[in-house]
Amino acid sequence: GEDVEQSLFLSVREGDSSVINCTYTDSSSTYLYWYKQEPGAGLQLLTYIFSNMDMKQDQRLTVLLNKKDKHLSLRIADTQTGDSAIYFCAESYAGNNRKLIWGLGTSLAVNP
Amino acid sequence: DAGVIQSPRHEVTEMGQEVTLRCKPISGHDYLFWYRQTMMRGLELLIYFNNNVPIDDSGMPEDRFSAKMPNASFSTLKIQPSEPRDSAVYFCASSSHRTGDYEQYFGPGTRLTVT
Repeated sequence: GEDVEQSLFLSVREGDSSVINCTYTDSSSTYLYWYKQEPGAGLQLLTYIFSNMDMKQDQRLTVLLNKKDKHLSLRIADTQTGDSAIYFCAESYAGNNRKLIWGLGTSLAVNP
Repeated sequence: DAGVIQSPRHEVTEMGQEVTLRCKPISGHDYLFWYRQTMMRGLELLIYFNNNVPIDDSGMPEDRFSAKMPNASFSTLKIQPSEPRDSAVYFCASSSHRTGDYEQYFGPGTRLTVT
């Protein structure tokens, strides 16, 4: 069945780059997403990438997609303490872009 | 817009009681999703609606759970009777087909504790 896997924890120093990785199983997914959840809040879309793209850059965020390996990564440049949150990777179900399969989330801790 | 509104934000109830969670989606959005989040299972889609019609309820755990959307601006998720294993954070999210993007906008969640 479909599955999205992420490592559960990542700790970085303020100012360093953070790289959060995700693997997925459904090669026919159209969209892949990164959502951010701050403590006590709902999830908020950070960025997404179409499956026909290899890379997408948006200010401090860079998304890399390796379709052959079904690997997605999110790089945050110059990580700040305000980036401390849980980051969720999600893929759309084949044929249904409304329904998402979610990873368990990666908790990013940024140390001063 | 105020965003997706959920109430209550916190609910503590005893096992066996009925619990009703409420959601007001963003005005104009035609999709509404109910999720449950736990440490062990992460974020699970329970059910979603399109134009007030349930499209996929395959994630609803069992008959104790029911969801309704009587109109475009209101939805409820009911648990009857509640059990301790239902303790979780329940999120409502909405999205719009018309804008052409698939972003889901999440509410702040309802933290449910069943004792």
